[in-house]
Amino acid sequence: GAVVSQHPSWVICKSGTSVKIECRSLDFQATTMFWYRQFPKQSLMLMATSNEGSKATYEQGVEKDKFLINHASLTLSTLTVTSAHPEDSSFYICSAPPGQGYYGYTFGSGTRLTVV
Amino acid sequence: GENVEQHPSTLSVQEGDSAVIKCTYSDSASNYFPWYKQELGKGPQLIIDIRSNVGEKKDQRIAVTLNKTAKHFSLHITETQPEDSAVYFCAAGRMDSSYKLIFGSGTRLLVRP
Repeated sequence: GAVVSQHPSWVICKSGTSVKIECRSLDFQATTMFWYRQFPKQSLMLMATSNEGSKATYEQGVEKDKFLINHASLTLSTLTVTSAHPEDSSFYICSAPPGQGYYGYTFGSGTRLTVV
Repeated sequence: GENVEQHPSTLSVQEGDSAVIKCTYSDSASNYFPWYKQELGKGPQLIIDIRSNVGEKKDQRIAVTLNKTAKHFSLHITETQPEDSAVYFCAAGRMDSSYKLIFGSGTRLLVRP
């Protein structure tokens, strides 16, 4: 089945630094990747949609300059949290939508970001 | 915008009893309705899903029903076991395009031994 590999699984960074999270589709090509953020005891909230070869689409209220999304190839999408602050601490998850050869939405394993 | 409402937010049942979680969606173009179980610190795990051309689907102790007219879908877990305790999310999306998946707010299920 389709697999999305997400790295790192957890990261601790200092305030003001940037952190990059990668999601790779291992056995399929993902032209689209969804990025979600989940705060403790809350639901998964869609932040943005990355599309290979074009600019990402951000949901209302999400800062484009703070959460940089790049879809460099058909197998790699990245989310960079720039100038991270403690309030950016959260669980970030990527997901690829249904496509040819695989069924349903495929999720990465998530990244726990802690900003100190 | 698109919205998925989920109820209840918490549910406590005795082991062996049934649990029902309900969701409603707003986007009439949605045609795919998955349910996920999430354990602490992990990504969501698909437990069952249903497409809009089907009214009900069952997999052992888990079943999902869909009412397209009312835009309602429900998760039914029978003969609950302590290991069923987790957070469950419903979601709505589309299978025929690269369309975003919108999640409900989640239900924390506790199965008491």
